[in-house]
Amino acid sequence: KAGVTQTPRYLIKTRGQQVTLSCSPISGHRSVSWYQQTPGQGLQFLFEYFSETQRNKGNFPGRFSGRQFSNSRSEMNVSTLELGDSALYLCASSLGGTNPEAFFGQGTRLTVV
Amino acid sequence: AQSVTQPDIHITVSEGASLELRCNYSYGATPYLFWYVQSPGQGLQLLLKYFSGDTLVQGIKGFEAEFKRSQSSFNLRKPSVHWSDAAEYFCAVGDDSSYKLIFGSGTRLLVRP
Repeated sequence: KAGVTQTPRYLIKTRGQQVTLSCSPISGHRSVSWYQQTPGQGLQFLFEYFSETQRNKGNFPGRFSGRQFSNSRSEMNVSTLELGDSALYLCASSLGGTNPEAFFGQGTRLTVV
Repeated sequence: AQSVTQPDIHITVSEGASLELRCNYSYGATPYLFWYVQSPGQGLQLLLKYFSGDTLVQGIKGFEAEFKRSQSSFNLRKPSVHWSDAAEYFCAVGDDSSYKLIFGSGTRLLVRP
């Protein structure tokens, strides 16, 4: 059974640009969550989607957005990139019921220069 | 407020020695508890989880953890550490309605030959 797939693995962008990251969950999983990991702030929750609906959102500015497609694949977008957006972005998939057990992808390393 | 505390930023043990990583949580609801491991530049791998029932849970790679409600703790243990266990370990807590995990700040494990 394939795991969670995140693409691309690495990205370098310039301040002010926008970026889109992609996540394909484990087959049969309907919930996708996104987390940002930085050395200073650790692992922080961005948002969670289930059946194309955002059910929860973390404390991030509106520049961070996401969506989920009917096949459960998810994308997150960051507009007007800032240096502080440099981070490892992790996607997690789960079944989506009351069980919060989450399986993580390898992450996308975003560097903003 | 909900929080997870991992009081040890770094721990160094000798190969073959026993290991205990501490985790304390503050959570209003009945928590679901997890331990994840992360190698450099990689995603998070689920080691074990506690939902209910037996308070001593077994995980992969020979790890176990014990849930102690009275102490709000979920410490991770391993009787004999291998060099390949060197990584960062994260404790996390979730529930069945918030659709997110709250992570501790992590403990970096170093293994001496």
